[in-house]
Amino acid sequence: RKEVEQDPGPFNVPEGATVAFNCTYSNSASQSFFWYRQDCRKEPKLLMSVYSSGNEDGRFTAQLNRASQYISLLIRDSKLSDSATYLCVVNPNQGGKLIFGQGTELSVKP
Amino acid sequence: DGGITQSPKYLFRKEGQNVTLSCEQNLNHDAMYWYRQDPGQGLRLIYYSQIVNDFQKGDIAEGYSVSREKKESFPLTVTSAQKNPTAFYLCASSIERVDQPQHFGDGTRLSIL
Repeated sequence: RKEVEQDPGPFNVPEGATVAFNCTYSNSASQSFFWYRQDCRKEPKLLMSVYSSGNEDGRFTAQLNRASQYISLLIRDSKLSDSATYLCVVNPNQGGKLIFGQGTELSVKP
Repeated sequence: DGGITQSPKYLFRKEGQNVTLSCEQNLNHDAMYWYRQDPGQGLRLIYYSQIVNDFQKGDIAEGYSVSREKKESFPLTVTSAQKNPTAFYLCASSIERVDQPQHFGDGTRLSIL
């Protein structure tokens, strides 16, 4: 089993749609969680940290379920500019290393 | 502006040649990391350093070497022992706290001539 697993992509959605990405992690001792966005041929950029209580940043909502070892990212009212690969990232509390999921590709169409 | 600077943006290596990728940060971060990304793949950790003059192997360290003589600098050498070096190399840094994310430079694309 991979340490971090994400929904396979690509997700092709129309503008204005709501889309949800899921991610599971295997290490129950993991301490912190993040979603990054990576545009084609660019570096990953932090989208948001994920807190136990869930958190929202504009159209983006992240949720964490420690019991099920599951993280989600919800994007409402999708924009063309949301097209990118979304990376689920977990800190397993092993000396500063982060574990990156394979990423889920999102393509928002007009 | 604070950030992470990687150079060069593109690099070509001849067979049997060692090449060094530069990574400099002015964020005053203690920890620095090197990742490799192959097309359509996730990031794989090569080496990381949590403090000056100390570093640890990541998951794919074979064929690579690093040094951490200064807090702001973490160069990566791709040696001739790395038989498949063509990839996108990303350097990152972070505050050494479990709840802190990593921040990335804009990467170096390495290709074989």
